[in-house]
Amino acid sequence: AQSVAQPEDQVNVAEGNPLTVKCTYSVSGNPYLFWYVQYPNRGLQFLLKYITGDNLVKGSYGFEAEFNKSQTSFHLKKPSALVSDSALYFCAVRDYDAGNMLTFGGGTRLMVKP
Amino acid sequence: DADVTQTPRNRITKTGKRIMLECSQTKGHDRMYWYRQDPGLGLRLIYYSFDVKDINKGEISDGYSVSRQAQAKFSLSLESAIPNQTALYFCATSGGQSYNEQFFGPGTRLTVL
Repeated sequence: AQSVAQPEDQVNVAEGNPLTVKCTYSVSGNPYLFWYVQYPNRGLQFLLKYITGDNLVKGSYGFEAEFNKSQTSFHLKKPSALVSDSALYFCAVRDYDAGNMLTFGGGTRLMVKP
Repeated sequence: DADVTQTPRNRITKTGKRIMLECSQTKGHDRMYWYRQDPGLGLRLIYYSFDVKDINKGEISDGYSVSRQAQAKFSLSLESAIPNQTALYFCATSGGQSYNEQFFGPGTRLTVL
């Protein structure tokens, strides 16, 4: 089965600094990887995805993610964090063994302080 | 996503009660999903449906059942609720050219006492 891991429960960043939220994956075959964000009292919102092509994927709200096959990683990044970026972030992988369902990581809470 | 709605948004119930959570979508998607979210565990798939006649168990289907009443409606039932089913429940849809991407409802917070 495919899986993703988010090694950090929480990431703290000062506003204006770059941020990175880490994700590593384990798949058989080519990975389809996703990032979602959850704001308080809201459902998950799609940020970006990697299916094929360029290793640097650009998404919503200025976020981007870098696919690294050798390190089996798909870290989420943003050059300059905003307080409004504070939320819960989920990495996910499409699971070929389970009807192409999404398998989610445990989530990382991002706290951006003024 | 306003195109995916869930009712109720919050529910408190007692052990042993039957409860139904409802999901409706106006996106015209054929695929619908039910997840539960627990702190530190991310989202885990309960059931999914690729069309009205297709229902499949997910990772944690025990204690749950679903009904796909129409393409736009997918309900989740807890036949006899227990306290460890206290969680945040999300419905999601996918389909069309964006079937890789799932669109989530706002969630239902369920508390079983």
